[in-house]
Amino acid sequence: AQSVTQLDSQVPVFEEAPVELRCNYSSSVSVYLFWYVQYPNQGLQLLLKYLSGSTLVKGINGFEAEFNKSQTSFHLRKPSVHISDTAEYFCAVSEVNTGFQKLVFGTGTRLLVSP
Amino acid sequence: EAGVAQSPRYKIIEKRQSVAFWCNPISGHATLYWYQQILGQGPKLLIQFQNNGVVDDSQLPKDRFSAERLKGVDSTLKIQPAKLEDSAVYLCASSFTGTYEAFFGQGTRLTVV
Repeated sequence: AQSVTQLDSQVPVFEEAPVELRCNYSSSVSVYLFWYVQYPNQGLQLLLKYLSGSTLVKGINGFEAEFNKSQTSFHLRKPSVHISDTAEYFCAVSEVNTGFQKLVFGTGTRLLVSP
Repeated sequence: EAGVAQSPRYKIIEKRQSVAFWCNPISGHATLYWYQQILGQGPKLLIQFQNNGVVDDSQLPKDRFSAERLKGVDSTLKIQPAKLEDSAVYLCASSFTGTYEAFFGQGTRLTVV
């Protein structure tokens, strides 16, 4: 069974500063990796995904993430954050080649961007 | 393109009462999911449908939760009777078969008092 660890429950950062949200996963099989964002009282929106190919994945809103198989990590980064990036961010994994997507989510990291 | 529609947005019920949530997925999406998101936690998959068949319901508390997708489109999730620990946001999501991108609705926030 897969599991996802997001060690940072909350990350405060100033506007225009860089940010990294950490994600580590555990699985006995190959996985696909995802980052979702959840704004207050909203559903989840896909930021980016890693299925195969280049380990550096670019997503929406200027976010990117790097898949590191040896460290079983998929950290999310943004070089310069905006106030509007304040939200909850969830890392998720799904087993490869099951034919169906069964997402296992981490507990989330709240990004707080202040002026 | 219309997104995943869910209703109601909010629901408050007393324990031991019953409640039902409705979901209308994106047109053409054969796969439909129901997730439970308890405050401070990530979403947890309750049940997954492929058309009107159940793919995975291993984490659905079947003594009180039920779900159906009779015509392979809309779905309802029911809780009967509700417990205090069922207070959560219930998220519906859908995707095309074989893709790895699920689209989520805004969710239904359930409070059991």
